Amino acid sequence: GQQVMQIPQYQHVQEGEDFTTYCNSSTTLSNIQWYKQRPGGHPVFLIQLVKSGEVKKQKRLTFQFGEAKKNSSLHITATQTTDVGTYFCAGGSNYQLIWGAGTKLIIKP
Amino acid sequence: EADIYQTPRYLVIGTGKKITLECSQTMGHDKMYWYQQDPGMELHLIHYSYGVNSTEKGDLSSESTVSRIRTEHFPLTLESARPSHTSQYLCASSWNNPFSSYEQYFGPGTRLTVT
Repeated sequence: GQQVMQIPQYQHVQEGEDFTTYCNSSTTLSNIQWYKQRPGGHPVFLIQLVKSGEVKKQKRLTFQFGEAKKNSSLHITATQTTDVGTYFCAGGSNYQLIWGAGTKLIIKP
Repeated sequence: EADIYQTPRYLVIGTGKKITLECSQTMGHDKMYWYQQDPGMELHLIHYSYGVNSTEKGDLSSESTVSRIRTEHFPLTLESARPSHTSQYLCASSWNNPFSSYEQYFGPGTRLTVT
């Protein structure tokens, strides 16, 4: 069946370092959405990308959608403690959302 | 912040009991979902609904049932709770677009423990 693979599962960074998570789909997606879930919380929508090659920025967060609409990335510049949580991608396909397994961002003490 | 509510927030119950987890949204969304999620892990879709009187099973096999009699209400029922049902249950809603997928708004979740 359709799958969205997300890597890495965990990323440990020092505060101030950058963070990146990647999603790859086995099929072409109509769109890709990104969500953030804080520890103990629920997923919160961050952004949706629709166009091939699209790049969007939200302050220190940069989202990309691949040219073939099969992959996407989220890059955070200069991480802060408020960035801690799990980042999920979700690909739109056949009017459904297919969720990645999430990447947990952990700030080293 | 989205207007989607779940009750109870926390529930500890004994094996064999019947339970209903409540979910309501005031946004008039057509589509509603139930996910099961162990802490910090991936989301598993267990049920969804396109609208009133429409319910479908998701990817994860579940012993639960759902109903959608009103647009705003999407309760989840476990006829006989077991320790394997211990998890967090998240309800979500979205607009239903036949050509695309809209963002989902999540409720705060119900953390269920079956002893």
